[in-house]
Amino acid sequence: DIQMTQSPSTLSASVGDRVTITCRASQSISSWLAWYQEKPGKAPKLLIYKASSLESGVPSRFSGSASGTEFTLTISSLQPDDFATYYCQHYSSYSWTFGQGTKVEIK
Amino acid sequence: EVQLVESGGTLVQPGGSLRLSCAASGFTFGTSEFNWVRQAPGKGLEWVSYISTSGSTIYYADSVKGRFTISRDNAKESLFLQMNSLRVEDTALYYCARGWRYFDYWGQGTLVTVSS
Repeated sequence: DIQMTQSPSTLSASVGDRVTITCRASQSISSWLAWYQEKPGKAPKLLIYKASSLESGVPSRFSGSASGTEFTLTISSLQPDDFATYYCQHYSSYSWTFGQGTKVEIK
Repeated sequence: EVQLVESGGTLVQPGGSLRLSCAASGFTFGTSEFNWVRQAPGKGLEWVSYISTSGSTIYYADSVKGRFTISRDNAKESLFLQMNSLRVEDTALYYCARGWRYFDYWGQGTLVTVSS
């Protein structure tokens, strides 16, 4: 089975910071990787799909990229609404795998 | 407005059964694929099960295979999860989520607690 290792598990940052979260696959995978934002008491929200496609309505400060087995979510300028937990998710042949999550905290 | 509303979660004893429901509105239910995803208290997200548009293709995570059954009623625009032989480790918030390779809409979740 493909394992997704997400890092860091916690990230402390300030408003305006550039933030990068990484998901590394245990083997070469397709580009079917998504990123979600989760806030307490709310449903997870899709941000990025197919590694780099921005979901409709998601601010352009969010972006995704891929290089080999490493996938990255970048928030170009962290806003107060962005303090949340972020998950990557990979799909392959009817198997769906989530990363462990990254909590973005206020520094 | 797209809405997914889960229900049916409650406290149940180990070995017991429970049926979760997810009512959909605001989009064409019959042409959408669905999943159940769960989140144990303080833990990350875990995919549980997938069902195709017609219900003819179904997949389960190894952790629930043989105990859980996913189904859907396109006429009633509803998704279900029959959970049998429940274990303490099945305690989680259960979300229904629309999609195949990724999940574009999620419900708010329904809480299942398995405890004696």
